[in-house]
Amino acid sequence: SSELTQDPVVSVALGQTVTITCQGDSLRTFYVSWYQQKPGQAPVLVVYGENRRPSGIPDRFSGSRSGNTASLTITGAQAEDEADYYCNSRNSGGSHWVFAGGTKLTVL
Amino acid sequence: QVQLVESGGGLVKPGGSLRLSCAASGFTLSDSYMSWIRQAPGKGLEWVSYISSSGRTIYYADSVRGRFTISRDSAKNSLHLQMNSLRVEDAAVYYCVKWQDDGANLKDWGQGTLVTVSS
Repeated sequence: SSELTQDPVVSVALGQTVTITCQGDSLRTFYVSWYQQKPGQAPVLVVYGENRRPSGIPDRFSGSRSGNTASLTITGAQAEDEADYYCNSRNSGGSHWVFAGGTKLTVL
Repeated sequence: QVQLVESGGGLVKPGGSLRLSCAASGFTLSDSYMSWIRQAPGKGLEWVSYISSSGRTIYYADSVRGRFTISRDSAKNSLHLQMNSLRVEDAAVYYCVKWQDDGANLKDWGQGTLVTVSS
């Protein structure tokens, strides 16, 4: 079983704000990174660290952390944001990395 | 520009072996932190293995330890994953991934190579 957990399905109306959460004890120690994956494509890093985005990722994507919960927020969701989102971090011992099961985001 | 191209996937019987390769360009692989990540059909992502830039630190997921071996060829700028004693549950798309330079995030992904394990 994964040491990180996400809600499997989340939906948002076009242009609205949505938050995807990731929970796990290791998040009290380690930062989380967030990946977006569209069908048939490799994942793409969208948010990492203390709320940082790689070059080319729109600023509507942001991240935060509180206690054992990390969040990915999309402010003003677009149709192209419909995808699976995965959080990733180290395990509690720090010698492995784990992914949560992923959240399928639907933009209505 | 970083480019990662995996190869070596295919159909193998349970108990068999495969060697995956990842040809890297746009950077020096032996100066980089690298991993293999896999994704079973219709399932989520699973971290498989990690090799540090020095090559001195190697980690494996519990599910593959003792069966899989990660290695790299500096002369060919390539990463490899030797997979032995394959099981049905090892069937997946295997991605070669470069970590960010600080070793903290999975930054650059290949397009993956499909491994099918079936009798």
